[in-house]
Amino acid sequence: DAKTTQPPSMDCAEGRAANLPCNHSTISGNEYVYWYRQIHSQGPQYIIHGLKNNETNEMASLIITEDRKSSTLILPHATLRDTAVYYCIVRVKTGTASKLTFGTGTRLQVTL
Amino acid sequence: ETGVTQTPRHLVMGMTNKKSLKCEQHLGHNAMYWYKQSAKKPLELMFVYSLEERVENNSVPSRFSPECPNSSHLFLHLHTLQPEDSALYLCASSQLAGDTQYFGPGTRLTVL
Repeated sequence: DAKTTQPPSMDCAEGRAANLPCNHSTISGNEYVYWYRQIHSQGPQYIIHGLKNNETNEMASLIITEDRKSSTLILPHATLRDTAVYYCIVRVKTGTASKLTFGTGTRLQVTL
Repeated sequence: ETGVTQTPRHLVMGMTNKKSLKCEQHLGHNAMYWYKQSAKKPLELMFVYSLEERVENNSVPSRFSPECPNSSHLFLHLHTLQPEDSALYLCASSQLAGDTQYFGPGTRLTVL
């Protein structure tokens, strides 16, 4: 699976959009971009994933550049409950066992 | 609520004890996973079960013994653990191996 690079920490004011970047310059054509988050001492929570096109769900939007070498997770109106560590993971979706390789992620702090 | 439950949520045990962690998924998934998260370290995949068959064992010591009696239940049997085994143990499930994984809340294990 391709390696990802994320800033170690970011701050965001409550109510503003949080834009979390991720670089994955060695991504392969069949690898998806996944985002998870982990609130302190809880299990990781799936947020969104995509291959080439931008994706949106009730939690967030995922913007993938045309060359697929980077992506941005957007939380449109951050709240205090969005304070967490956000992980960008690149992986293939194979039919056999596969694993999520979690790096160190971005610690997002949402403030009043 | 992700549809994946884990019990107990907290466990303290001595090095000579035998205990078991339980995971149950209510999502109709066919693959289940055990992860370990030690303090200040990324998640580490321990075991993968697909259709009740163990398909991956990432060099985990034999004092950790998984069991998957059916597609909804996964156990991790623990015996003669070491203090360095203290960690958050996370269970996840996916429709098939390789699909999006959904995590439980974890069991916080402390070995004295």
